Amino acid sequence: DIVMTQTPLSLSVTPGQPAAISCKTSQSLLHGDGKTYLYWYLQKPGQSPHLLIYEISRRFSGVPDRFSGSGSGTDFTLKISRVEAEDVGVYYCMQAIQFPWTFGQGTKVEIK
Amino acid sequence: QVQLVESGGGLVKPGGSLRLSCAASGFTFSDHYMSWIRQAPGKGLEWISYISSSGSDRYYADSVKGRFTISRDNAKNSLYLQMNSLRAEDTAVYYCARRSVAASGTPVVDPWGQGTLVTVSS
Repeated sequence: DIVMTQTPLSLSVTPGQPAAISCKTSQSLLHGDGKTYLYWYLQKPGQSPHLLIYEISRRFSGVPDRFSGSGSGTDFTLKISRVEAEDVGVYYCMQAIQFPWTFGQGTKVEIK
Repeated sequence: QVQLVESGGGLVKPGGSLRLSCAASGFTFSDHYMSWIRQAPGKGLEWISYISSSGSDRYYADSVKGRFTISRDNAKNSLYLQMNSLRAEDTAVYYCARRSVAASGTPVVDPWGQGTLVTVSS
């Protein structure tokens, strides 16, 4: 199974300041079709997860442009350029290049 | 709008069985692969099963293989998860989620339902 390691596991951010979450994988997520199957989800308190980023850096429909993804191979980063109060929750990276799909442990983001 | 609504959760004794359902609406259910993903209380996310649009291909996590069965009824726009030989460690919120294809051609898994809680305890 592909192991997904997120750091940090928690983050306290002042509104308006940037934040970054790292996700390192035990195997490359680059598929033979040229796509990298790395996703980022946000689970807000009391809600189910929803998709923010797919294929490393593509923002899903309706996701604000303060969210961005980068990386390649086995090393990926989610950045929030200016954290807002509504961004609190737990962020997960996920790989879907092979079964079983696996998730990072989650990074809890809170506002200072 | 696209909606996924899980049901069927509850309290069950170890060794017991439960069948979860996921009712889909707002999209052509038969066009989409579907998954079940669970989350133990206060813990992270664990993918457990996946089914193709026709139901011909199914995949399972090792933790549930041989005990859980995913199925679907496209005529009823419904996804199911039959859970047998339940264990305490199966206690979790179970989410169904839709796989679709983004404009770039990349598969994405979204949305997820609101989840249904399964508690396995004597």
